[in-house]
Amino acid sequence: DAKTTQPPSMDCAEGRAANLPCNHSTISGNEYVYWYRQIHSQGPQYIIHGLKNNETNEMASLIITEDRKSSTLILPHATLRDTAVYYCIVRVDGYGQNFVFGPGTRLSVLP
Amino acid sequence: KAGVTQTPRYLIKTRGQQVTLSCSPISGHRSVSWYQQTPGQGLQFLFEYFSETQRNKGNFPGRFSGRQFSNSRSEMNVSTLELGDSALYLCASSLGGNDNEQFFGPGTRLTVL
Repeated sequence: DAKTTQPPSMDCAEGRAANLPCNHSTISGNEYVYWYRQIHSQGPQYIIHGLKNNETNEMASLIITEDRKSSTLILPHATLRDTAVYYCIVRVDGYGQNFVFGPGTRLSVLP
Repeated sequence: KAGVTQTPRYLIKTRGQQVTLSCSPISGHRSVSWYQQTPGQGLQFLFEYFSETQRNKGNFPGRFSGRQFSNSRSEMNVSTLELGDSALYLCASSLGGNDNEQFFGPGTRLTVL
């Protein structure tokens, strides 16, 4: 089972910030939080990941709470092309690429 | 740099047959993971290969197997196909370290009739 919980769906107006929450209350100290997204019929796309500090890249920002039990992915200016299923993943093991994907959040960016 | 490539993109088989799917990772990547995606079960991890060795394995029956070659290219094989094996099979490559992101290919859509 996935170690994360996310809302099944969210809407966001085009041009506004999209804030996608994720709960991972059982996260271990050496586990990273990853975010991927999957646009219809394509392979998942890496967005960002972090351990305990907030992270930012050209796509998004990741805010991790101090206790690391939850995080928020922020898309600062959502566009229609950001409509996708967003997955929050906590690494199951300390080593290896065996990601456990939950059902994710279906984000709809509305014009 | 070229992305992850998977061949074939589409495949139709009948029950009882076997199938082999291929994945070419990004140049320099040593880890290749395989996932199955179905509408009912979502994305599920099959196995991961790193430097020609299976490093992690998901909860799938022995009909699902894989291997990795010295150039990091990987194949997965499904024997005795069942209708429930119809799915999108995704391959992902990474450098293989503890916090490396995975890069996914476009997938192979397998239909079992």
